[in-house]
Amino acid sequence: SQQGEEDPQALSIQEGENATMNCSYKTSINNLQWYRQNSGRGLVHLILIRSNEREKHSGRLRVTLDTSKKSSSLLITASRAADTASYFCATDAITGGYNKLIFGAGTRLAVHP
Amino acid sequence: DAGVTQSPTHLIKTRGQQVTLRCSPKSGHDTVSWYQQALGQGPQFIFQYYEEEERQRGNFPDRFSGHQFPNYSSELNVNALLLGDSALYLCASSWGRDHTQYFGPGTRLTVL
Repeated sequence: SQQGEEDPQALSIQEGENATMNCSYKTSINNLQWYRQNSGRGLVHLILIRSNEREKHSGRLRVTLDTSKKSSSLLITASRAADTASYFCATDAITGGYNKLIFGAGTRLAVHP
Repeated sequence: DAGVTQSPTHLIKTRGQQVTLRCSPKSGHDTVSWYQQALGQGPQFIFQYYEEEERQRGNFPDRFSGHQFPNYSSELNVNALLLGDSALYLCASSWGRDHTQYFGPGTRLTVL
């Protein structure tokens, strides 16, 4: 079974708008990562946030982590048509230090020109 | 610097057959993980190889097996294929205890 759950399942916005995606998980984690997937191909790593961090930025991406609520959010600012993709959160559960990723079902983002 | 590569890109098999998928990790990486992604779902962890041994395994039957070679490349074997095995199979590589995994483009398996 999958640990993470993304919300919403699908999001449709106009270019220039911001997109916010949320992720909830169930067990304690070492870190949480966000990935992007275009057209059912390979996943591209976007950002990793550790369990002792609350916020992290990378370019137009902002990720927050609230371990007390077991939730994370990904904000994409000033979206572009090229941001159209599926976005997944993945948790790296505490399993002896081995990095087994547990993915949610993803949010499908559509950015319209 | 080549990233993670997988072969073949697409594969069509019939029920009961066996299939082998291949993965070459990113240069410098020593750990390979395999994931299965059904249509519309997130990837699910199958197993992970390090130093030519299976280190972790997800909830997949023994029909799914793997191997890692001395050059860190890996194979995923699936026996007695079922229709439900149709999916995108993703390989990811990482190094040591670096938690970032780099994914290949995947192999699309269709079982008829």
